[in-house]
Formats: sequence, C-alpha cells, structure tokens
Amino acid sequence: DGGITQSPKYLFRKEGQNVTLSCEQNLNHDAMYWYRQDPGQGLRLIYYSQIVNDFQKGDIAEGYSVSREKKESFPLTVTSAQKNPTAFYLCASTSDRMFYGYTFGSGTRLTVV
Amino acid sequence: DQQVKQNSPSLSVQEGRISILNCDYTNSMFDYFLWYKKYPAEGPTFLISISSIKDKNEDGRFTVFLNKSAKHLSLHIVPSQPGDSAVYFCAATQTDKLIFGTGTRLQVFP
Repeated sequence: DGGITQSPKYLFRKEGQNVTLSCEQNLNHDAMYWYRQDPGQGLRLIYYSQIVNDFQKGDIAEGYSVSREKKESFPLTVTSAQKNPTAFYLCASTSDRMFYGYTFGSGTRLTVV
Repeated sequence: DQQVKQNSPSLSVQEGRISILNCDYTNSMFDYFLWYKKYPAEGPTFLISISSIKDKNEDGRFTVFLNKSAKHLSLHIVPSQPGDSAVYFCAATQTDKLIFGTGTRLQVFP
C-alpha cells in the first residue's frame, strides 16, 4: 500500500542536541511538507519542498533544517537553536492536484528532557 | 496573522443530531478549502473539499458550504455518530501550500 512513513513515533532529546525526524513516501508525490502541531495552534508549516534538491521555508523555519536528496525522502532536523522543540511533528506529501490536499504521515512526538 | 480561523475550540453534539463546524478566512485569493479529521497521535485524514467557485459540496453525511461574501465556510455532519468524535481542521490552498485553522474538537455523545 502507498503511504507516508514517519519514524520514530516517539522521540526524546536532551537539551542542546540535534535530532532528525524521518519521513519517507512511496506515493510518487513531488511535494513534501513538514508541519508542527501545538495545542490550540493548529498545524504550522515549517519547511516544504516542491522538487528534489529544492526547499522553501515555511512560517516557523527557525531552528529547523531539511534536505531533499531523493524524491521519496524529506528528513527534518530539529537543531539546538529551536527554543521550544517539544511538539507533534507531521509530514505530508501531495501530487500537483491540490484539490485533494495532502496525505499525512502518522506523526512523531518529540519531547525534550 | 491567522488567515484561517476556527473560533470554536470545541463542540459537543448528541448522536443522531447535526454537527456544524465553522471556519472563517481573510484571504479572498484562496482557491480551495478542505476539511481534515484528526484523531490523537495520528496524522489528519482528508474529509471533503470545495472549490472557491462553488457554494456547496456534499459527500454522504458530510456537506461543506462556502459563503464567499462572508469569507465563511462550514462543515455539516448529519447524522452525527460517536466515531465522528475527533479534531476537525479547515484548510485553504495558497499557491503551493495549505494554510490550516486551529481546529475544533467535536465530541459526539450517546
């Protein structure tokens, strides 16, 4: 079955450490996105990529970095510069038919300890 | 600046009755509007959408209404079922990305 796989589901990080969240899709979608969900704030866009080797900042990119070396993969690194990294992170992808919106992964819960 | 707003953080409805979830937006250039349903610790799933050139779209128990003059859309669920209990996000397309609202938690009780 086609879909998006995010791993791990739960992740704990010590303050000052970088951590990378994985996102892989086998839907042959060109565009991929990273969102962050916090209570009462909905989904906020971190980074997105329309094509391999290209990506754009979203609304809250500070403290995060991404890469898009393969069409199937869009990993997100949460750096030590991110002030409040504890959140639920969602990866999504879409074809160019935006009418049907995105397909989302099941998310990664990151907790800083 | 929140371009897509869901002013009701929660809604409680009795099983069998209608659930109405509301969403307001500020940007008249949005092309499509979508509703997503989300359970805890899972990714959102697409529910229903509507083009900005239409005012109604229906899919089974779910109907979305768009009032462009008021910059308002609503999702109607009839009849509501306990399995509908979830957080509902409205979203709008802007060029190459989706802008999401803050969500409304729907609880359907027996």
